Amino acid sequence: GEDVEQSLFLSVREGDSSVINCTYTDSSSTYLYWYKQEPGAGLQLLTYIFSNMDMKQDQRLTVLLNKKDKHLSLRIADTQTGDSAIYFCAEAFQTGANNLFFGTGTRLTVIP
Amino acid sequence: DAGVIQSPRHEVTEMGQEVTLRCKPISGHNSLFWYRQTMMRGLELLIYFNNNVPIDDSGMPEDRFSAKMPNASFSTLKIQPSEPRDSAVYFCASTLLGGLAKNEQFFGPGTRLTVL
Repeated sequence: GEDVEQSLFLSVREGDSSVINCTYTDSSSTYLYWYKQEPGAGLQLLTYIFSNMDMKQDQRLTVLLNKKDKHLSLRIADTQTGDSAIYFCAEAFQTGANNLFFGTGTRLTVIP
Repeated sequence: DAGVIQSPRHEVTEMGQEVTLRCKPISGHNSLFWYRQTMMRGLELLIYFNNNVPIDDSGMPEDRFSAKMPNASFSTLKIQPSEPRDSAVYFCASTLLGGLAKNEQFFGPGTRLTVL
C-alpha cells in the first residue's frame, strides 16, 4: 500500500531557508502535492509537481522530486513567521479514484 | 464561492450520544471526502464519494460511523454512539472528478469534536 512519510518537526530562524522532506513508496504516483495547514484551519494546496518533472519553482517555494529515491522536498526561501504551519505532502495516482494519500505532516516553527 | 462549509465548527458531547457532522461541498464538485485528524494518528481518510456514491469506506473505523451523501450539495458523517476516542477534528474536502489534472482537494475549516 501507499506509505508517505515525513519528519514531524522542523524549527528554523526567520530569514533562513526551510527544507521539508517527504518519502513515498509507490512510484506510480502521477502528481505530488504540498498542502499547508495553519492553526485552526483546514489544509490548503500550496504547490504541486507532476511526476515527470524534477523541479518546480514558485516565488519563495521550490519543489524537488527525485523519482529514483522516491523523495520529495519543499524549500521555503526567506522563511517568515507566517510560514509557521503544518506541511503535508500527498500523492495521487492515475486510477481515476481521485483520492490523495497524505503524509504525517511536518510542523514548521519559525523563530523570530 | 464560499468554499467547503462544515457545521458545527465545534461540538462537545457526552459519551454515548449521537453526533452528526455536516458538509456542503463547493458547488460543481462531484467528489467529497471525510477525514479525521488527531495528534496520534495524523490525517486519516475515512470515506469518499464520487457523484454521491460511496467509493471507499475502508477508513471508517467502526460500525458506529456512517456517512451519507443524499445529493450533490450535502453530506453527513454520523457517530452513534460516540466515545471519547472519537475526539478529533473532522474535515470535509471536495474536488472535481475529471477536472483539472492537478486533482486539488479543497478543505473545509473542520469540526472539532470533543466527546467527554
